[in-house]
Amino acid sequence: ETGVTQTPRHLVMGMTNKKSLKCEQHLGHNAMYWYKQSAKKPLELMFVYSLEERVENNSVPSRFSPECPNSSHLFLHLHTLQPEDSALYLCASSQGQGRPGATNEKLFFGSGTQLSVL
Amino acid sequence: ILNVEQSPQSLHVQEGDSTNFTCSFPSSNFYALHWYRWETAKSPEALFVMTLNGDEKKKGRISATLNTKEGYSYLYIKGSQPEDSATYLCASLGINKFYFGSGTKLNVKP
Repeated sequence: ETGVTQTPRHLVMGMTNKKSLKCEQHLGHNAMYWYKQSAKKPLELMFVYSLEERVENNSVPSRFSPECPNSSHLFLHLHTLQPEDSALYLCASSQGQGRPGATNEKLFFGSGTQLSVL
Repeated sequence: ILNVEQSPQSLHVQEGDSTNFTCSFPSSNFYALHWYRWETAKSPEALFVMTLNGDEKKKGRISATLNTKEGYSYLYIKGSQPEDSATYLCASLGINKFYFGSGTKLNVKP
């Protein structure tokens, strides 16, 4: 148990659906991340939030829309996805000092949401 | 973009064997090297964070070394056990971003 919880664990959606992924951490961390893992590829950073402010958008298509209402919660809103968006989506958090990734602090990951887009 | 390479891609060993994997990364703009252990259907968990050239870290039967000048890190597992079966990820911290390798999938047979 890493202290980072993701829901749902599995999600199947059509290309016209709208759905949201949720991530919650109660570790008191300041930074939260969304990563994507496609089959046989390395983890790809999508978004970084530090103290509820987005500090990194790694050229992610607008059909993915993150939201960080407070430092404990992070959402990824999905709309009009494509089949190639099917992947494992991992949330992570780190203690940070307002500049995530600028330190050598480790990441705490959730178990991920396995997304299938039909 | 930093290319972080891990080898081998997968490894099958017998219980009791010792094994090691490699993580190579560009040595420029290096800040830290992380190792994570990722069991199937669970969360990746941090094993080690290393920053200095020559760093060596140990946790039980698992240890890691770091060479920042030549850009590689080794992860060693002594006397592998079935519960060590997992994917081992390394990540190099560049400027404000982690770059992950594709992982080494270890299967330890009883």
